[in-house]
Amino acid sequence: AQSVSQHNHHVILSEAASLELGCNYSYGGTVNLFWYVQYPGQHLQLLLKYFSGDPLVKGIKGFEAEFIKSKFSFNLRKPSVQWSDTAEYFCAVNARSTDKLIFGTGTRLQVFP
Amino acid sequence: GAVVSQHPSWVICKSGTSVKIECRSLDFQATTMFWYRQFPKQSLMLMATSNEGSKATYEQGVEKDKFLINHASLTLSTLTVTSAHPEDSSFYICSARERTGYTGELFFGEGSRLTVL
Repeated sequence: AQSVSQHNHHVILSEAASLELGCNYSYGGTVNLFWYVQYPGQHLQLLLKYFSGDPLVKGIKGFEAEFIKSKFSFNLRKPSVQWSDTAEYFCAVNARSTDKLIFGTGTRLQVFP
Repeated sequence: GAVVSQHPSWVICKSGTSVKIECRSLDFQATTMFWYRQFPKQSLMLMATSNEGSKATYEQGVEKDKFLINHASLTLSTLTVTSAHPEDSSFYICSARERTGYTGELFFGEGSRLTVL
């Protein structure tokens, strides 16, 4: 069965620190990969996505993610976080065969000034 | 970007009543819509996949008779929680695919918070 795991449940950083959030999925076929962000009281927004091509994808607000097929990973990174990045981050995988978008458990990021 | 709107955003109902939540794609046609449920401080759980003009496909463990999904047009899908109970209290989120096919991006509604007393 298709599944997504996010290892970091709660991350606390100071402003300007670097960020890396892990995401691993279990599915052997072709997938599309996404990172979504949910700011407090707001709906989900797409940060970035990978469909094919360059495995290093850049998204909005300075975020990027790298798809490593051999590791079934799609980790999210940002070199220098800001207080405004405080939010819940979800990794999601869409498998071609099932056509379902499955979410990871989410990572709560808190950034302190 | 594409906009998905849910209504109502917040609803309180008595136990035993039914509640309908609407999901609309405002500026695009959505052949496929997905309904999710999000518990507090947890991830989104896929409930069902809704295709326009056909019956919804429910995930394992989701009661189709309790959570009725109708996708009558390319811009509207509805979720009806029938005979609601307090354990149905949750945040329900819909998403819509902008284009047909696998590579269409999903856009999410603002969510609807249901509280059953």
